[in-house]
Amino acid sequence: AQSVAQPEDQVNVAEGNPLTVKCTYSVSGNPYLFWYVQYPNRGLQFLLKYITGDNLVKGSYGFEAEFNKSQTSFHLKKPSALVSDSALYFCAVRASSGGSYIPTFGRGTSLIVHP
Amino acid sequence: ETGVTQTPRHLVMGMTNKKSLKCEQHLGHNAMYWYKQSAKKPLELMFVYSLEERVENNSVPSRFSPECPNSSHLFLHLHTLQPEDSALYLCASSQVSGANVLTFGAGSRLTVL
Repeated sequence: AQSVAQPEDQVNVAEGNPLTVKCTYSVSGNPYLFWYVQYPNRGLQFLLKYITGDNLVKGSYGFEAEFNKSQTSFHLKKPSALVSDSALYFCAVRASSGGSYIPTFGRGTSLIVHP
Repeated sequence: ETGVTQTPRHLVMGMTNKKSLKCEQHLGHNAMYWYKQSAKKPLELMFVYSLEERVENNSVPSRFSPECPNSSHLFLHLHTLQPEDSALYLCASSQVSGANVLTFGAGSRLTVL
C-alpha cells in the first residue's frame, strides 16, 4: 500500500521569507512524487514531479522540492514567499513500477503568506 | 482552461432530485477520475475509468453512479442525495502509463438542500 503524510494542516510565513511544506511518503519500490496546488474554488494544478535523477526538482512559480530517499521525504520549498502563493498544497505518490497507476494524495497543507 | 472541462460549475439540488455532473477532456488521456473534496477532509477518490477498466472506492454510496461512454467524457449521476454529499466534485484525467500527471477540472460545487 502507498501513503502520504503532510504533517502540517497549515503553514504561516511572512512574505519574502523562505517557505517549506513537508511531505513524507510510503511506497513499495521507487516512487514517483508530485506536488499540486489548489487556489480557492479551483481544481488542483500540477506544480512539479520527481521521477528519477537529480534529487532537487524545480517546478512552476519558483517552487522546488527535494527528494530524500533515506528520509522518504519530498518537501516543497521556495526561497522567497509571495502573498499570491497562499493556497492549498497537496503531495502525491505512486510506485514507479508495479502497483497501481492511481496516485495517493496527502490531506493537503494550507499555506498562508502574510504581507 | 486546463483542458478538462466540468459542467455545471455550481449545482443546488433537493434530496429527491436527479442530476448529473459532466466532465470532458481533449488531452488524449486514457484515464478519467472523480474525486470528492469536502471541507476539512482528505481528497476522496470515488471512481476511475481507464481503458476498459473501472475502479471504484467501495465506500462511495450507490446514490452516486458514474458513466464513461468514451475516453473523453465522464459523468457522475446523482440521485436521492443527502446534505452531507454537499462538496466540490473534481474530475481529472491522465495517461495510465509513465509518471502520469493528473490534469484537474475546476470542479462542480454541489449543494444538497
